[in-house]
Amino acid sequence: QQQVKQSPQSLIVQKGGISIINCAYENTAFDYFPWYQQFPGKGPALLIAIRPDVSEKKEGRFTISFNKSAKQFSLHIMDSQPGDSATYFCAASSINGNKLVFGAGTILRVKS
Amino acid sequence: GAVVSQHPSRVICKSGTSVKIECRSLDFQATTMFWYRQFPKQSLMLMATSNEGSKATYEQGVEKDKFLINHASLTLSTLTVTSAHPEDSSFYICSAPGTGIRGGYTFGSGTRLTVV
Repeated sequence: QQQVKQSPQSLIVQKGGISIINCAYENTAFDYFPWYQQFPGKGPALLIAIRPDVSEKKEGRFTISFNKSAKQFSLHIMDSQPGDSATYFCAASSINGNKLVFGAGTILRVKS
Repeated sequence: GAVVSQHPSRVICKSGTSVKIECRSLDFQATTMFWYRQFPKQSLMLMATSNEGSKATYEQGVEKDKFLINHASLTLSTLTVTSAHPEDSSFYICSAPGTGIRGGYTFGSGTRLTVV
């Protein structure tokens, strides 16, 4: 059972544009929602994370929007740059389980 | 910040041999280590959870006799792929709950295993 569904599978954005990646979850026990960036041959690196007590969190060009009632959260990358080209994963965990469940990933390509 | 050092970064081994992957927490104590496997263009799939001083917990479908996990100290967890076969070729990544905000995780840099 896929607990975190991520879309789109791939995304092409022009330099300076906004990249938007969406995730939906099923387990209402999840209370931690991070986004990771992964470059080929490297481990995932945490970009930004949110907890369900807030609806939005912004760090630099990265923003998470969270909709608890819809069980959805999204990553917005403002002013996308070619260096942002990577694979992005959403994830979720609950304090009780402590395991991270990953979405399927989105391959982002920013065209210069 | 919390750092998990993973070695080796790449390894090529012959079919039937065993390979050990190490993950060390450099500046914090990791009582728990998560081990993931990632196939090309796919997501990270949790294989097992190791806990210092106790037996690892394996996810459904993961052969515990093939993927031996040892968490002998608070700073070292190892994954040994025994009798490796070409289908075990994958990217293996470890992760430890970090010392940051509640729920934060620190990932190793990954090990690319190729079995020939």
